[in-house]
Amino acid sequence: ILNVEQSPQSLHVQEGDSTNFTCSFPSSNFYALHWYRWETAKSPEALFVMTLNGDEKKKGRISATLNTKEGYSYLYIKGSQPEDSATYLCAHYGGSQGNLIFGKGTKLSVKP
Amino acid sequence: DAGITQSPRHKVTETGTPVTLRCHQTENHRYMYWYRQDPGHGLRLIHYSYGVKDTDKGEVSDGYSVSRSKTEDFLLTLESATSSQTSVYFCAISEWQGRETQYFGPGTRLLVL
Repeated sequence: ILNVEQSPQSLHVQEGDSTNFTCSFPSSNFYALHWYRWETAKSPEALFVMTLNGDEKKKGRISATLNTKEGYSYLYIKGSQPEDSATYLCAHYGGSQGNLIFGKGTKLSVKP
Repeated sequence: DAGITQSPRHKVTETGTPVTLRCHQTENHRYMYWYRQDPGHGLRLIHYSYGVKDTDKGEVSDGYSVSRSKTEDFLLTLESATSSQTSVYFCAISEWQGRETQYFGPGTRLLVL
């Protein structure tokens, strides 16, 4: 199993702050990098699927970048709102292992 | 929302009893997955299916079996439940593997006493 690491493990910010977190993954045999948003007591919901080095994706105030050569992706949230409070998961697909390997997530708490 | 349901949503059982969880989809997606979620471990793949009667093991398959006799249904069976299998179980589906988004069901909370 190839490891997917996310940092930080948790993050507390004030409403209006912009924030970002990191997903690191093996840079060899890269096929795709997924980001999911997971609210407490709900199920994970897809944010982005990124496949190309240099990819940038945006959805409202949330955006993500991808560097496949060095094996990392950043997720950015601009002007955090309390409703952004959730755990953000990334998952790597390297082809050979057959399926997505999930990181343990970054838990974001946004205080009003 | 993708049409994925899981049943039961909550279950309490005793050690040594068999348990079957059901995942049902209405999206006609080829791939179906069973994950478990535990504190400190995130989501870990138990088994997945890439078609009717086609299944394969995931990272934590010991103690679990699966079956898929119809496109829409994917069953997860704990032959003899143990306390270490207390967890939240999520089913997911995708049209294809890897580059396609996975859509998750609502989860089943299982407590093994």
